[in-house]
Amino acid sequence: QVQLVQSGAEVKKPGASVKLSCKASGYTFTNNYIYWVRQAPGQGLEWMGIINPTGGGTYYPQRFQGRVTMTRDTSTSTVYMDLSSLRSEDTAVYFCARDRGDGGGSYSAIDCWGQGTLVTVSS
Amino acid sequence: DIQMTQSPSTLSASVGDRVTITCRASQTITTWLAWYQQKPGKAPKLLIYKASNLESGVPSRFSGSGSGTEFTLTISSLQPDDFATYYCQQYNSYSTFGQGTKVEIK
Repeated sequence: QVQLVQSGAEVKKPGASVKLSCKASGYTFTNNYIYWVRQAPGQGLEWMGIINPTGGGTYYPQRFQGRVTMTRDTSTSTVYMDLSSLRSEDTAVYFCARDRGDGGGSYSAIDCWGQGTLVTVSS
Repeated sequence: DIQMTQSPSTLSASVGDRVTITCRASQTITTWLAWYQQKPGKAPKLLIYKASNLESGVPSRFSGSGSGTEFTLTISSLQPDDFATYYCQQYNSYSTFGQGTKVEIK
């Protein structure tokens, strides 16, 4: 079955960087974009960007441009998300998620989510 | 950027009630809208895509409608398992989530 398995929880100090991983299985990795979405404690969902596993193309919303980098390794069907210059407001659960691949808009709806990775930023 | 506004933020209802949640887009998104259900400590789950298409395996009491800038998610008869938070997401122009609607027990 389609599955996204994320790396484990991280604790970082302000100013540091964190690199999260998301390993896909159960489908052809290059057929579907991968979203990254985060959720601060008690808050809603926030879209952080998207990567096309085929060519590695990415798009980041303006608020994350310059701080987030998404990459992929097609040999291991893994997507990575690097977030730099961490601050306390970046404390959140970070999800990777699969685009359905049937969209006519910019992207498609999300039909599969990873289990989430908690990142805690604290001095 | 397209902004998505959900209403209400919180909704108190009883089992068996008909529940409607609204999502408004700041500009037209045609029908490129999805609805998700999220329970505490879990990842969201897709309910509806392309505004009105029911995801496989989702109970038929869930339905979606709308186009352009105004959309609704309806639960025809609320069940105990439906108490959760619901989010809309536009994917017409990049992507944006609504702020969420918590459905709680009355």
